[in-house]
Amino acid sequence: AQSVTQLGSHVSVSEGALVLLRCNYSSSVPPYLFWYVQYPNQGLQLLLKYTSAATLVKGINGFEAEFKKSETSFHLTKPSAHMSDAAEYFCAVTISGYSTLTFGKGTMLLVSP
Amino acid sequence: GAGVSQSPSNKVTEKGKDVELRCDPISGHTALYWYRQSLGQGLEFLIYFQGNSAPDKSGLPSDRFSAERTGGSVSTLTIQRTQQEDSAVYLCASSLDTGVETQYFGPGTRLLVL
Repeated sequence: AQSVTQLGSHVSVSEGALVLLRCNYSSSVPPYLFWYVQYPNQGLQLLLKYTSAATLVKGINGFEAEFKKSETSFHLTKPSAHMSDAAEYFCAVTISGYSTLTFGKGTMLLVSP
Repeated sequence: GAGVSQSPSNKVTEKGKDVELRCDPISGHTALYWYRQSLGQGLEFLIYFQGNSAPDKSGLPSDRFSAERTGGSVSTLTIQRTQQEDSAVYLCASSLDTGVETQYFGPGTRLLVL
């Protein structure tokens, strides 16, 4: 079975600082990996996904993530945080032929002025 | 175009009552998913429908939970004899197909069982 671990339930950054949200996965076969964002009282919105093409994936709102097989990681980064980035971020995994996503516990990103 | 919609947005019920939660997927999406989001448990898969195939019910926590999808479109999640531990946000998602296709999520139904 696949699993995802997100290190840090809360991450605080200052506006303009680097954002780094950590995600490590476990899968016995090549995984497909996703990052979703959830704003208060809203559903989840896809930020980006890795589907075995380029290991560096660029998403919306200036976010990107790099798939590192040797480290079983798919960390999410953004060079400069904006106040509007404050939200909860979820990493998720699935595999070929499997239908549902397995989510991490989520990381709440707090951005201070 | 219209996204995934869910109703009601909030539901308060008494322990022991039955509730029905509705999901309208994006038109043309063949796959439909239900997830539950609760404090401490994160996002958990409940059930998944794909076209006319039998649903994958492997995530349903008990036989009090059931779901149906009529005409390959609208889905209803039913919880019978609700318990306080059923309090959570129930999220519905749909996608064009399964696997790596992007799942589009609705805003969720916030259920509170008193």
